[in-house]
Amino acid sequence: NAGVTQTPKFQVLKTGQSMTLQCAQDMNHEYMSWYRQDPGMGLRLIHYSVGAGITDQGEVPNGYNVSRSTTEDFPLRLLSAAPSQTSVYFCASSSRGYGYTFGSGTRLTVV
Amino acid sequence: GQQLNQSPQSMFIQEGEDVSMNCTSSSIFNTWLWYKQDPGEGPVLLIALYKAGELTSNGRLTAQFGITRKDSFLNISASIPSDVGIYFCAGQLGNTPLVFGKGTRLSVIA
Repeated sequence: NAGVTQTPKFQVLKTGQSMTLQCAQDMNHEYMSWYRQDPGMGLRLIHYSVGAGITDQGEVPNGYNVSRSTTEDFPLRLLSAAPSQTSVYFCASSSRGYGYTFGSGTRLTVV
Repeated sequence: GQQLNQSPQSMFIQEGEDVSMNCTSSSIFNTWLWYKQDPGEGPVLLIALYKAGELTSNGRLTAQFGITRKDSFLNISASIPSDVGIYFCAGQLGNTPLVFGKGTRLSVIA
C-alpha cells in the first residue's frame, strides 16, 4: 500500500550540479505530475504526463526535464541546479486525471 | 498561468469554533477539490466536487461547488487541534492538471 513514493526526502546541491528526483507509484495510474511548492506561492505545475511516453510542460518548466518510460515511474531531472530551484517538490498521480494522490515530497536546497 | 484566489491567507481560531474559507477563479472549472497539508507531508485530498451547486460533507468538513463554476468554499465545524495545517483549493477542467490556490494556513488555539 505504498501509493506515491518520492526519493530522496532531502537533498542539498551545489549550483551547477545535476540530479534526478525519483517518483514511483504502484496504483497503475496513467496521470502523473510534478509540482513545486514555495512559501506563499501554493503548488505550481512543472511537468505532467498522461501516460507512458507522453509528457507536457506545466506553468514553470524551465530548468527541468522529465520522461515517462513506464507507467510506474516519472523522474524529474534538474540539469544544472540554481538557487532559484530551492523548493519542496511533490509528485502526484491519478487515475484518468481525477483525485490526485501526492507523495510526501523532496526538500531540495541549492547552495 | 491560471490563478485561483484563495482566502483568507491565514486564520487563528479558538478550538471549537467554525471555520470558513473560499476560493474564486476568473475561469470555470468542472471539478473543485480541497486538500489539507500537514507539516512535512504532501497534500491529502479531503473533498472532491464534480457538479455545480453540489454540497458535500466529510465528517466535520462541508464543501460546495459554486453555481457559477468559478468558486468553492470549505467549512470546518467545531475545530479541533488536529485541524491545524494548510488547506488548498484546486480546480480542474476536464482531466487537465490541477490548478492550486495559494493556501489557507489554519492555526487552532486550544
